[in-house]
Amino acid sequence: AQSVSQHNHHVILSEAASLELGCNYSYGGTVNLFWYVQYPGQHLQLLLKYFSGDPLVKGIKGFEAEFIKSKFSFNLRKPSVQWSDTAEYFCAVSSENAGNMLTFGGGTRLMVKP
Amino acid sequence: DAGVIQSPRHEVTEMGQEVTLRCKPISGHNSLFWYRQTMMRGLELLIYFNNNVPIDDSGMPEDRFSAKMPNASFSTLKIQPSEPRDSAVYFCASSLWLTSNQPQHFGDGTRLSIL
Repeated sequence: AQSVSQHNHHVILSEAASLELGCNYSYGGTVNLFWYVQYPGQHLQLLLKYFSGDPLVKGIKGFEAEFIKSKFSFNLRKPSVQWSDTAEYFCAVSSENAGNMLTFGGGTRLMVKP
Repeated sequence: DAGVIQSPRHEVTEMGQEVTLRCKPISGHNSLFWYRQTMMRGLELLIYFNNNVPIDDSGMPEDRFSAKMPNASFSTLKIQPSEPRDSAVYFCASSLWLTSNQPQHFGDGTRLSIL
């Protein structure tokens, strides 16, 4: 069975600080990886996704994530956060064995102080 | 393009009452997912359908919960009887079931409060 761990439950940063949110998954086969963002009071929206190819994936709003297969990781990064990035961030994984079912991590709440 | 549409957006009812949540997936999507989100448990998958057929309902908490998908454009999640611990935000999501790399698109959710 696949699982996803997000070790940082809460992160507080000041504007312009750099961001890195950790995501580790456990599954030995081929995986597809996703980051979703949930702004306060809203639904989950796709930030970026990785299927294959270049392990450095660029998403919307200046976010990027790097797939490191040897570390089973897919960390999310942004060089300079803004107050509007305050949200909860979810890492998710799917695999061929699980069909198109996503397994979500527990989420990381990011608060950016103006 | 219309996204996933859920109704109602908010529901407040007394315990013991029947609650029905509705979802219209994105046209052309053939997979539909129901999730529940709470502060304590985070995001939980309740059940999902492929081509209107329930594939995995292991996340449905109890027999009080049931879900149906009578056609490709409509699904319901029903709680009967409802209890205060069912209070949560319920999200519906849909995707195109071709391979495992299709992202899910979420609706705005139904915020359910059971008094």
